[in-house]
Amino acid sequence: EVQLVESGGGLVQPGGSLRLSCSASAFTFSGYSMNWVRQAPGKGLEWVSYISSSSSSIYYTDSVKGRFTISRDNGKSSLYLQMNSLRADDTAVYYCAREMVIGFQDGFDIWGQGTMVTVSS
Amino acid sequence: DIQMTQSPSSLSASVGDRVTLTCRASQSISSYLNWYQQKPGNAPKLLIYGASSLHSGVPSRFSGSGSGTDFTLTISTLQPEDFATYYCQQSYTTLRTFGGGTKVEIK
Repeated sequence: EVQLVESGGGLVQPGGSLRLSCSASAFTFSGYSMNWVRQAPGKGLEWVSYISSSSSSIYYTDSVKGRFTISRDNGKSSLYLQMNSLRADDTAVYYCAREMVIGFQDGFDIWGQGTMVTVSS
Repeated sequence: DIQMTQSPSSLSASVGDRVTLTCRASQSISSYLNWYQQKPGNAPKLLIYGASSLHSGVPSRFSGSGSGTDFTLTISTLQPEDFATYYCQQSYTTLRTFGGGTKVEIK
């Protein structure tokens, strides 16, 4: 079964760091761009970051630029999000999502179950 | 950045109803618009990509239309399992943005 499994969430103090991981299985991970999307409690979805299949292109939403770093290890079929200088408003469930491409269109077709990050003192 | 606005933010409907949700982009995004369904405690699921293409395995009662700045998601005959929150997302720019969501509740 095609699957993404996130890990690494937890409780961290403001200003602290956390590294999220996303493990992929049953598909050729190296052939897909990947994304992180977050959802604050009771709120909507917020796209966080994108990384291309070869890591040659990386993008971030403005609110995390300079604090978060996305990376991947195709040999390990894994995606990562290093989060530094965490703030209370980073509190959310973090999802990794696969980006499918059909022709000129794309969408996030496979999602993990999410990992909760809570930033609080 | 492109802003995505969904309306209404919530609606009440009955099983069997025809339901239409709206999404508006702050600038033209051609047909680079996706729709997702999310149920409480679960990850989102892709329903529609490219404004009108049905994702694999999605029931045909779901349909999407629109281009430029105005888009709609229609559920032709609402089923009990369709009560959920629906999000649009633009894929026109590399900075993917989501709308605020429309919650479809049981009347």
